[in-house]
Amino acid sequence: QVQLVESGGGVVQPGRSLRLSCAASGFTFSSYAMHWVRQAPGKGLEWMTIISYDGSNKYYADSVQGRFTISRDNSRSTVYLQVNSLRPEDTAVYYCARERTDISSTERLDYWGQGTVVTVSS
Amino acid sequence: AIQMTQSPSSLSASVGDRVTITCRASQGIRNDLGWYQQKPGKAPKLLIYAASTLQSGVPSRFSGSGSGTDFTLTISSLQPEDFATYYCLQDYNSPWTFGQGTKVEIK
Repeated sequence: QVQLVESGGGVVQPGRSLRLSCAASGFTFSSYAMHWVRQAPGKGLEWMTIISYDGSNKYYADSVQGRFTISRDNSRSTVYLQVNSLRPEDTAVYYCARERTDISSTERLDYWGQGTVVTVSS
Repeated sequence: AIQMTQSPSSLSASVGDRVTITCRASQGIRNDLGWYQQKPGKAPKLLIYAASTLQSGVPSRFSGSGSGTDFTLTISSLQPEDFATYYCLQDYNSPWTFGQGTKVEIK
């Protein structure tokens, strides 16, 4: 069965960095684009970034452009999110999600991980 | 970036009620919209994609409609397990964007 397991969250001081990981299993990872979505405490979902199946294309939300970097290692079935210059407002649960795309180019996020918590605090 | 305006932000309803949630895009997005359900402490779950296609395993009381800029999620007969927060998400172009969410509470 499809599984996505995030890790790497924790408590970090403002200005520091973290690398979040999302380990995938149960499907051919190298065939799927992957996304990161976050949710601040008590707030809604915020889409952050996508990486194409082969890592050649990446897009970011304006709020994280330049500070966050998505990457993937298809040999390890893992997608990463490097988060730099962390701010208190980056405190959130960070989810990875798989993008399913049909022949008709219909897209959706059909599987999600359980999330990893990042707390930015001095 | 495309803005998604979802309404209402919350609603109270009873078991058996028909519930409708709307989402409006700031520009036309064809039918490139999904609906997601989230329960407290859990990851979101895909309900509807391509505006009106029911995800496998999702009960048929959930339905979606719309195209262009205006979209609707309908729950035909609210069940106890449907009390949750619902989000729309446009996948027309990057950056993808969510609506603000609609919390469905028990009346």
